[in-house]
Amino acid sequence: DVKVTQSSRYLVKRTGEKVFLECVQDMDHENMFWYRQDPGLGLRLIYFSYDVKMKEKGDIPEGYSVSREKKERFSLILESASTNQTSMYLCASSLPRGGEKLFFGSGTQLSVL
Amino acid sequence: AQSVSQHNHHVILSEAASLELGCNYSYGGTVNLFWYVQYPGQHLQLLLKYFSGDPLVKGIKGFEAEFIKSKFSFNLRKPSVQWSDTAEYFCAVNRGSGNTPLVFGKGTRLSVIA
Repeated sequence: DVKVTQSSRYLVKRTGEKVFLECVQDMDHENMFWYRQDPGLGLRLIYFSYDVKMKEKGDIPEGYSVSREKKERFSLILESASTNQTSMYLCASSLPRGGEKLFFGSGTQLSVL
Repeated sequence: AQSVSQHNHHVILSEAASLELGCNYSYGGTVNLFWYVQYPGQHLQLLLKYFSGDPLVKGIKGFEAEFIKSKFSFNLRKPSVQWSDTAEYFCAVNRGSGNTPLVFGKGTRLSVIA
């Protein structure tokens, strides 16, 4: 069974901390994505990557960075966590074609206090 | 930039009622269209998608959607809902011609009551 695995289901951090969210996929997908999901706002794209060491900004990249050193792993970094980054973070992967579906992880619920 | 509009934030239906969830998108070129569902406590999963061919597409669990190009719409339907259809539903779109990320709507929460 194909899998996208996010390292933590729940995470609590303090304002100003550097936070790492890890995502690993076992499907050899080129594309990987980070979205955040907030009630009433749907899913908003933070960053995405189409290849190793490649990254592109999504719609809301401010306050975030990413790293993709290996094809299967895509990390989201909150450089200095703030309370408005409290959210559900979803990682996804797909094949590199327009009509391909996304495979999602279970999400990480991050609370910044 | 592309955008996706879902008309209803929260829909409440009785079991056996018919369902139609609206979705409109803004992009004028060739598009791929998707409906995803998120059941309580579960990850997002694909219900159905359209990328070419018959504009009426059928998905899992009795859902279907119709692509109407002239209306920029991709509405989701089900003739008779069940309690187990209680979930959040997301419409999404990307450009058909290349490898571009999905843009999601804000979601519609469906509550089915007995």
